[in-house]
Amino acid sequence: ETGVTQTPRHLVMGMTNKKSLKCEQHLGHNAMYWYKQSAKKPLELMFVYNFKEQTENNSVPSRFSPECPNSSHLFLHLHTLQPEDSALYLCASSQTGGSNQPQHFGDGTRLSIL
Amino acid sequence: ILNVEQSPQSLHVQEGDSTNFTCSFPSSNFYALHWYRWETAKSPEALFVMTLNGDEKKKGRISATLNTKEGYSYLYIKGSQPEDSATYLCASDSNSGYALNFGKGTSLLVTP
Repeated sequence: ETGVTQTPRHLVMGMTNKKSLKCEQHLGHNAMYWYKQSAKKPLELMFVYNFKEQTENNSVPSRFSPECPNSSHLFLHLHTLQPEDSALYLCASSQTGGSNQPQHFGDGTRLSIL
Repeated sequence: ILNVEQSPQSLHVQEGDSTNFTCSFPSSNFYALHWYRWETAKSPEALFVMTLNGDEKKKGRISATLNTKEGYSYLYIKGSQPEDSATYLCASDSNSGYALNFGKGTSLLVTP
């Protein structure tokens, strides 16, 4: 059990669909993150939320829309995605938003865009 | 160095061998250096977080060192076991205080 749960584990969607990825952490942490890993590329930070406030938007296209209703839940709303958005999307959490804290990752959602 | 670079890209060792990997990162405005182990079909697991120049950390047979002045960190595995087979990720924060930049990882295979 990782303490960070992501659903769904796999998602296939068309370019015109709207879907959402969900992340929930049971660790009592105050910071949550979305990362993208494309094939042969390093993990790329997308968004950071610290105490429910967005502190980082790493030049992510507007077709990705994050939502953090409380410190335990994080969503990534998807609409009008492109084939190059196919990737593994990882959620992580840490005690606080500082980089001196280890991050705890979920198992990821494997997204395929048709 | 603008990005986080890891070497080698992959490594294949025999059980019982000791091995080490390198992580290079921007040395200016340094905040923290992380190491993670990522086994296939699992989630990345934090190994070490280091913030001070000269820091050395150990967890069982795995240890890491940090040189923030020259911008590198080494990860050592003593007496490798098949269960050590994984991708080892390095990440640094050399800019913000909260955002990590990851390397592509070193893929380790340990065979009996």
